[in-house]
Amino acid sequence: QIQLVESGGGVVQPGRSLRLSCAASGYTFNDYGMHWVRQAPGKGLQWVAVISKDGDYKYYADTVRGRFTVSRDNSKNTVYLQMNSLRVEDTALYYCAKDSPLGAPFSPHGMDVWGRGTTVTVSS
Amino acid sequence: DVVMTQSPPSLSVTLGQPASISCRSSQSLVYSDGNTYLNWYRHKPGESPWRLIHQVSHRDSGVPDRFSGSGSGTDFTLRISRVEAEDVGVYYCMPGTHWPLTFGGGTKVEIK
Repeated sequence: QIQLVESGGGVVQPGRSLRLSCAASGYTFNDYGMHWVRQAPGKGLQWVAVISKDGDYKYYADTVRGRFTVSRDNSKNTVYLQMNSLRVEDTALYYCAKDSPLGAPFSPHGMDVWGRGTTVTVSS
Repeated sequence: DVVMTQSPPSLSVTLGQPASISCRSSQSLVYSDGNTYLNWYRHKPGESPWRLIHQVSHRDSGVPDRFSGSGSGTDFTLRISRVEAEDVGVYYCMPGTHWPLTFGGGTKVEIK
């Protein structure tokens, strides 16, 4: 079955960097785009970024554009989220999620499978 | 950016009774192909979010038929015909064709 496993979370000071990873299995990784979505403590879901199956297209939420970079290594079935200049408000549980089938470069049906998440805490 | 407004923010429902969640968008979600792409997700504490409905009314695999989605344009509804204990969680709507993607604020469903 499809599995997405996030890693790389931790506690970091404001202004520092962190790189999250998401390892995928159970499907043909390079056939689908990948999303990152986060949930701050006590808040709702917030979409963060997406990368197309070949890495040619990347979109970001306004709140992270210029600080976060999404990338992927299809040879390793892994997607990454490089987070620079971290802020206290970036504290959240970060999920990776697989894009749904159909549509190019991204599906109009959103995410269909999600990982369990990795926690990022930005604090001095 | 499209703004998704859900109501109510929370819902306390008696087992076996129906529940309804509203989701309104700040602009029409009709896409250039004539279709409307609106998804519903449920998120339980400690679990991954799970998509229930895509393209307004299409139930995902494994979703009980007590869940139904409807709507058009800017107004959408998720209905649970008879709430069961396993239905507790926070429900979110999210359009799939308007970038950046945005989720509604969520509706927390609890059992009375």
